[in-house]
Amino acid sequence: DAKTTQPNSMESNEEEPVHLPCNHSTISGTDYIHWYRQLPSQGPEYVIHGLTSNVNNRMASLAIAEDRKSSTLILHRATLRDAAVYYCILRGAGGTSYGKLTFGQGTILTVHP
Amino acid sequence: KAGVTQTPRYLIKTRGQQVTLSCSPISGHRSVSWYQQTPGQGLQFLFEYFSETQRNKGNFPGRFSGRQFSNSRSEMNVSTLELGDSALYLCASSWTGGNNSPLHFGNGTRLTVT
Repeated sequence: DAKTTQPNSMESNEEEPVHLPCNHSTISGTDYIHWYRQLPSQGPEYVIHGLTSNVNNRMASLAIAEDRKSSTLILHRATLRDAAVYYCILRGAGGTSYGKLTFGQGTILTVHP
Repeated sequence: KAGVTQTPRYLIKTRGQQVTLSCSPISGHRSVSWYQQTPGQGLQFLFEYFSETQRNKGNFPGRFSGRQFSNSRSEMNVSTLELGDSALYLCASSWTGGNNSPLHFGNGTRLTVT
């Protein structure tokens, strides 16, 4: 799987928007961009994913650059419950991607009350 | 809809023993994957099953094995346990397991080997 680069940590205040960046300059045309987060003592939680167009769901928005070499996860109003490690993961096509997520170090998001 | 269920939540075993962990996927999901999480190595992919067949495998020794039943439930087995096998073992399910199919994780089984 192609590699992603994320900042080690970010901080935000409650009720403010948060923009979590991810660089993936070696992304291939069939790679989907996935975001997961992991809260303490829990399994990872799916947040959002996309291929080329921006995506929105009830949890977040995903903004994908036109050249697809970077993306940004947007939490519109951070809450204390959003404090977690956020992982940006590329998933390629083909047999070696079945059921597989390659987790990097992720971004530790701290939300201040 | 019920989420992914893993049992047991906690397990303590002795070196040399073997252990079986269980995972019930979200209803309708046919792909089940297993992961190991340790402080040193982070989250690592073990293997994936779809329709009772192993389709993908990570870089773990043969002591780690799994199977999937016709109802998509899955079990993972670790034989001849080593101290280094102490970890959180996570199961994830998805519709197809493909790159456009999100994975949904359970909260894991915490295995301690003494």
